[in-house]
Amino acid sequence: DAEITQSPRHKITETGRQVTLACHQTWNHNNMFWYRQDLGHGLRLIHYSYGVQDTNKGEVSDGYSVSRSNTEDLPLTLESAASSQTSVYFCASSVTGNTEAFFGQGTRLTVV
Amino acid sequence: GENVEQHPSTLSVQEGDSAVIKCTYSDSASNYFPWYKQELGKRPQLIIDIRSNVGEKKDQRIAVTLNKTAKHFSLHITETQPEDSAVYFCAASRRTGTASKLTFGTGTRLQVTL
Repeated sequence: DAEITQSPRHKITETGRQVTLACHQTWNHNNMFWYRQDLGHGLRLIHYSYGVQDTNKGEVSDGYSVSRSNTEDLPLTLESAASSQTSVYFCASSVTGNTEAFFGQGTRLTVV
Repeated sequence: GENVEQHPSTLSVQEGDSAVIKCTYSDSASNYFPWYKQELGKRPQLIIDIRSNVGEKKDQRIAVTLNKTAKHFSLHITETQPEDSAVYFCAASRRTGTASKLTFGTGTRLQVTL
């Protein structure tokens, strides 16, 4: 079955380290998104992509980067991890605009 | 950019009662309003959505209403059951070609008590 998967599911890292979270979807969706979920803030958009080689900043993009070299993958990189980036990260994809977004299982990241 | 406000942040109802969650949005060009349910430790999943050319949509015990003039939309759950306990998120987006991005509200934790 087509799906969207994230890895790792849990990660602990040290302040200042570079971290990459993986997101892979097999639906051939053009649109892919990264959100972070924090208590009291809901789901906030970090970066998004509407196709290969396309990337855009969301509302909380500082300290994060993404690249889209193929349709299936949108890895999220924390260039120098900070304690404020401790959060649950969700990747999502949708086939086109204003259609259902399918979420991955989430990655719980702890920065110590 | 779009701003979505959601109320209440927590809601406790007795089994069988109705629950209503309300959201407002700021961008008058937004034209798609989905609702997602997130059970504890799980991923958000779409439960119902409405587009701006429709005022109300129902699916069994859940319904969504949209008031474009006032820029607000609501989720109604009737005959609540314990399995309705979860966090509910509203969202809004506007489509440009094949592109759109969702802006979410801050979520409502619904607790259905026996």
